[in-house]
Amino acid sequence: ETGVTQTPRHLVMGMTNKKSLKCEQHLGHNAMYWYKQSAKKPLELMFVYNFKEQTENNSVPSRFSPECPNSSHLFLHLHTLQPEDSALYLCASSQEASGSDEQYFGPGTRLTVT
Amino acid sequence: GQNIDQPTEMTATEGAIVQINCTYQTSGFNGLFWYQQHAGEAPTFLSYNVLDGLEEKGRFSSFLSRSKGYSYLLLKELQMKDSASYLCASLDSNYQLIWGAGTKLIIKP
Repeated sequence: ETGVTQTPRHLVMGMTNKKSLKCEQHLGHNAMYWYKQSAKKPLELMFVYNFKEQTENNSVPSRFSPECPNSSHLFLHLHTLQPEDSALYLCASSQEASGSDEQYFGPGTRLTVT
Repeated sequence: GQNIDQPTEMTATEGAIVQINCTYQTSGFNGLFWYQQHAGEAPTFLSYNVLDGLEEKGRFSSFLSRSKGYSYLLLKELQMKDSASYLCASLDSNYQLIWGAGTKLIIKP
């Protein structure tokens, strides 16, 4: 238990569906992150929020849309995904984004796009 | 470009010692992290090095050489529960983590 929870843990969706991933952190951190993890590839940073403001968007396709209503919650809205988007989506948090603080990860959402 | 290299897979015997190497090339450098990830679980923090040298934490130690762009994670007295992937990540000048693909460590009895 890292203090970061993610729901759902598993998600299967068709290419025309719309779904959302949810992340919540109970650590009082100010920075939250979305990562994509594909088999045998490095973690890919997708989005960073620091004090609820988006500070990084690493050329992520617009079919992924993040939302950060407060410092404890982070969403990733998904629509018209492609099969190559199937991966493990990890949420993480840290004290602040511009520092050397360790990141705490949630267990991830295993996404399959059919 | 930015690059992190680490072996894809390693095998070691229970009770032995194993060293997992990582070389990095990043735009600037603000430290090197190691994380452990068991299959189907979240990555968890193991160590952070920003100065040259060896830092020991129980059975795990991490080493950094900034001049060589090199780090290693040393695991002693291996236990079956140490079977996991070990992720190396470099913190670049923008304080963004650049990740390696991970080393899958298999421990045999």
